[in-house]
Amino acid sequence: GDSVTQMEGPVTLSEEAFLTINCTYTATGYPSLFWYVQYPGEGLQLLLKATKADDKGSNKGFEATYRKETTSFHLEKGSVQVSDSAVYFCALRDLNTNAGKSTFGDGTTLTVKP
Amino acid sequence: NAGVTQTPKFRVLKTGQSMTLLCAQDMNHEYMYWYRQDPGMGLRLIHYSVGEGTTAKGEVPDGYNVSRLKKQNFLLGLESAAPSQTSVYFCASTPEWGMGNQPQHFGDGTRLSIL
Repeated sequence: GDSVTQMEGPVTLSEEAFLTINCTYTATGYPSLFWYVQYPGEGLQLLLKATKADDKGSNKGFEATYRKETTSFHLEKGSVQVSDSAVYFCALRDLNTNAGKSTFGDGTTLTVKP
Repeated sequence: NAGVTQTPKFRVLKTGQSMTLLCAQDMNHEYMYWYRQDPGMGLRLIHYSVGEGTTAKGEVPDGYNVSRLKKQNFLLGLESAAPSQTSVYFCASTPEWGMGNQPQHFGDGTRLSIL
């Protein structure tokens, strides 16, 4: 079945540092890939997405590129801020999966210190 | 612009009590999902629905029941609560059209403690 593996956390960075959170996946079909962000006390919200190979999703300074050859979708940001402290989830949706269910990684907690 | 609304936001139950969690979405989405989130275990799918009047089991359905009598509402029931059901519960929805490319829209969660 489908699966998503995320870099284990927690991750602690200083403000303005470079961020990478690794995500790799396995899927039987051609999935769309997503990064969600969860702030304390809130639900998950979409950060960015990519729907086909070599697509780059971007939002709020975050970027991720759909790499089919390495089955990866790593999240990057050039300069993190304290306000980026949150839990980040990588996920996929496969058109071949019944009901379009999503498969989520376990989440990576990011803490940014001033 | 409510999106997905979950009620209640917090609840404390005693073992053996029953309760229903309500999820309401105003986006006319066809698909709805219930997840639980536990530390170190990510999100686990409990039940889901592909349309009004339909429900199906996810990966951790035991101890829970669901109903989708109206398209906009998806109810999660605990008939006899157990401490192992202490968790944060999230509801999500997504449109059917182009669903493979569409993200899920989440509520803010219900924090449930079973004593």
